[in-house]
Amino acid sequence: EAQVTQNPRYLITVTGKKLTVTCSQNMNHEYMSWYRQDPGLGLRQIYYSMNVEVTDKGDVPEGYKVSRKEKRNFPLILESPSPNQTSLYFCASSRFGALAKNIQYFGAGTRLSVL
Amino acid sequence: GQQLNQSPQSMFIQEGEDVSMNCTSSSIFNTWLWYKQDPGEGPVLLIALYKAGELTSNGRLTAQFGTTRKDSFLNISASIPSDVGIYFCAGQLDGSARQLTFGSGTQLTVLP
Repeated sequence: EAQVTQNPRYLITVTGKKLTVTCSQNMNHEYMSWYRQDPGLGLRQIYYSMNVEVTDKGDVPEGYKVSRKEKRNFPLILESPSPNQTSLYFCASSRFGALAKNIQYFGAGTRLSVL
Repeated sequence: GQQLNQSPQSMFIQEGEDVSMNCTSSSIFNTWLWYKQDPGEGPVLLIALYKAGELTSNGRLTAQFGTTRKDSFLNISASIPSDVGIYFCAGQLDGSARQLTFGSGTQLTVLP
């Protein structure tokens, strides 16, 4: 089954304690992306990656890091989380290329609370 | 960056009624997408539109890509309880970057 898997689904942490949210896809997609969803703001892109070792900032990258060492994995790293990073996070992936449609598949989400 | 205005923010309708929601943009998009998000889940693609003026249906859902390329609408006919959720429009300007700009969502509640 084609899937984008995020872990954990729920996380409560304290300010300043480094954390990583993992994302893995089994569709051999080149493109992967992280979004955060906040009430009234829709989904805003944090970082994206067009292939292994290729990452770029989205609209709201401050306070986040990503890496793309393997095609299937795209972890989101919060080196020093702050309360304003409390949000619902989604990972997404899609094929990339001239003939590929812009269909992004989303994970089920990670709800993060930073106290 | 680009901004999408999605309306209405929320809707309460009776089962069986038709629903209409729309998105407008200050910029031109090459692609319009409509997603639905169920509680506790990630967004799932409903309809994708790739050409100005394009009208596409998916069961009871119909969406159109506005001729100015700055707007799109989604209609749901004969609503049923499982239509409940948040509906998002998303626009894409540059296909190579795969960056989507999302609207703020329309929360749909279907009353029995």
